[in-house]
Amino acid sequence: DADVTQTPRNRITKTGKRIMLECSQTKGHDRMYWYRQDPGLGLRLIYYSFDVKDINKGEISDGYSVSRQAQAKFSLSLESAIPNQTALYFCATSDQGWTGYVRDTQYFGPGTRLTVL
Amino acid sequence: GENVEQHPSTLSVQEGDSAVIKCTYSDSASNYFPWYKQELGKRPQLIIDIRSNVGEKKDQRIAVTLNKTAKHFSLHITETQPEDSAVYFCAASMTSGSRLTFGEGTQLTVNP
Repeated sequence: DADVTQTPRNRITKTGKRIMLECSQTKGHDRMYWYRQDPGLGLRLIYYSFDVKDINKGEISDGYSVSRQAQAKFSLSLESAIPNQTALYFCATSDQGWTGYVRDTQYFGPGTRLTVL
Repeated sequence: GENVEQHPSTLSVQEGDSAVIKCTYSDSASNYFPWYKQELGKRPQLIIDIRSNVGEKKDQRIAVTLNKTAKHFSLHITETQPEDSAVYFCAASMTSGSRLTFGEGTQLTVNP
């Protein structure tokens, strides 16, 4: 889905470095999410944001921070990367919904493969 | 919080056979259950979803069933084709919260 983009697509870094992953969307959705995917563990929620002034921790937020710079942009930062943060990271968006019926479908970006050496 | 368990973790079938993937959830307040397909190297994409006010939903060769009492839901793929080979994820959420909790995924392989 080209409406949700992530940069970079691949990144190799060293332990202790600060890394920022960026997500942009042209879908006009209010809600944005960051997930991490590890083999055999599915997709785990790191942070989510329901609008520009709303930031919430997910199930695995330790070691990560986020910034919602605009409705269309949501960045994930690793302040001091460590090897066990090596994973595939996905950004996703969803619509706030209609009156009386919330749209829940989440649309994923292409992913960023991060390797921490 | 919500916990979603998915079985099996791997599934191999012959082309033309049916495939069934099962998930259980823990939070009785969950009322939205999507299924995502992730092909190798690609992003997860929604293939079908169901809400708690219905028990079954079909879309061509794909169907999902929901048993609210037992808190489990299943994905059924009939007449499987090699292009159905992928990882499938189930998920659950409370509609108003939009927080999806995913299962661990099932690697489906359809052998020609």
